[in-house]
Amino acid sequence: EVQLVESGGGLVQPGGSLRLSCAASGFTFSDHYMDWVRQAPGKGLEWVGRTRNKANSYTTEYAASVKGRFAISRDDSKNSLYLQMNSLKTEDTAVYYCVRGGGSWEPFYCWGQGTLVTVSS
Amino acid sequence: IQMTQSPSTLSASVGDRVTITCRASQSISSWLAWYQQKPGKAPKLLIYKASSLESGVPSRFSGSGSGTEFTLTISSLQPDDFATYYCQQSNDYPLTFGGGTKVEIK
Repeated sequence: EVQLVESGGGLVQPGGSLRLSCAASGFTFSDHYMDWVRQAPGKGLEWVGRTRNKANSYTTEYAASVKGRFAISRDDSKNSLYLQMNSLKTEDTAVYYCVRGGGSWEPFYCWGQGTLVTVSS
Repeated sequence: IQMTQSPSTLSASVGDRVTITCRASQSISSWLAWYQQKPGKAPKLLIYKASSLESGVPSRFSGSGSGTEFTLTISSLQPDDFATYYCQQSNDYPLTFGGGTKVEIK
């Protein structure tokens, strides 16, 4: 069974940093693109960014709203995905989901349960 | 690429046929997926590549369309189907979602 378990969420002040982690199991992690998707309270879904697999040189893509502030990385030896969030803004407050993709053009197949990040003073 | 869903809210009864529309601001070929989300839960993939049913999803769900116009149809609405539905394009970056359609009990 595919499992994605996020951790690291919490309350942080504007301008602060936070690192989210996602532990994956039940599939060959190294084969897959992995994404982060977020959802502000009461709002819709927003794609945050993606890391491709080793075969595609672990290259990354980001939404314009987080580019330069957020960084996605992965450790295939630990079946783990990370989201380093810097210079946080109040508008970054959201539930952050770790998502298993496939490859280019493929959908978001499996989602974690999400972790809440609250940016507030 | 902007994704526009309509309606934003839909009131329907059990057994109704329900159709949700998603329009892309430019052609996305068939690179469109549909997700279902219930309150407090993560989204769940229903349809991918515009019309392919994800494994385990009931056959009352179907998708159609290509280019810029897409539809999600629920042939006979069941109590478990009351939820919010999102479309999402994977044709180009940034990957984008529609604003969502909430299906409510009439």
